[in-house]
Amino acid sequence: KAGVTQTPRYLIKTRGQQVTLSCSPISGHRSVSWYQQTPGQGLQFLFEYFSETQRNKGNFPGRFSGRQFSNSRSEMNVSTLELGDSALYLCASSYWGVGSNQPQHFGDGTRLSIL
Amino acid sequence: DQQVKQNSPSLSVQEGRISILNCDYTNSMFDYFLWYKKYPAEGPTFLISISSIKDKNEDGRFTVFLNKSAKHLSLHIVPSQPGDSAVYFCAASAGGSGGSNYKLTFGKGTLLTVNP
Repeated sequence: KAGVTQTPRYLIKTRGQQVTLSCSPISGHRSVSWYQQTPGQGLQFLFEYFSETQRNKGNFPGRFSGRQFSNSRSEMNVSTLELGDSALYLCASSYWGVGSNQPQHFGDGTRLSIL
Repeated sequence: DQQVKQNSPSLSVQEGRISILNCDYTNSMFDYFLWYKKYPAEGPTFLISISSIKDKNEDGRFTVFLNKSAKHLSLHIVPSQPGDSAVYFCAASAGGSGGSNYKLTFGKGTLLTVNP
């Protein structure tokens, strides 16, 4: 069974630009959630999409947004990039979603660097 | 407010001995707990989980213990192997059936080094 796939693996942008990251969940999974990992803050929940609807949202500014398509693939967009957005962005998928007694399965992440 | 805490940033043990990783939480609504292992340049890999209705769950060399009254859980690895060297994250969520108010909250991780 193929795992969670994230593209691209590495990305370099400059301040003020915007970026779109992609996540393909495990086949059959309906939930995709996104996390930001930084050395200082650890892994922080961004949002969850379930059947094309945003179901949960973490404490991040509106510059961070996402969407989910009918095939469950998800994209995350960050606009007006800031230096502090440099991080590893991880997505995870599951069938029942965050909060169910079911583990989330993670991709290998996209390393975003802002210059 | 850090609701899930892993107070030991690192732990070093000898191969063959027991590794014990600890995690404390403050939110009494958490009812599902997980441990993930993470190697550099890879995403977290699910290891083992436990529901709040249990106090122990075992899977091979890995055992998770939950003490609800102390709001504490631990991961035991016996015997430890050099390949277990990685960062271990504790995570918790509230709600047994998913829903709009539930999210996964992570600790900041413990770097385990198993020496040959």
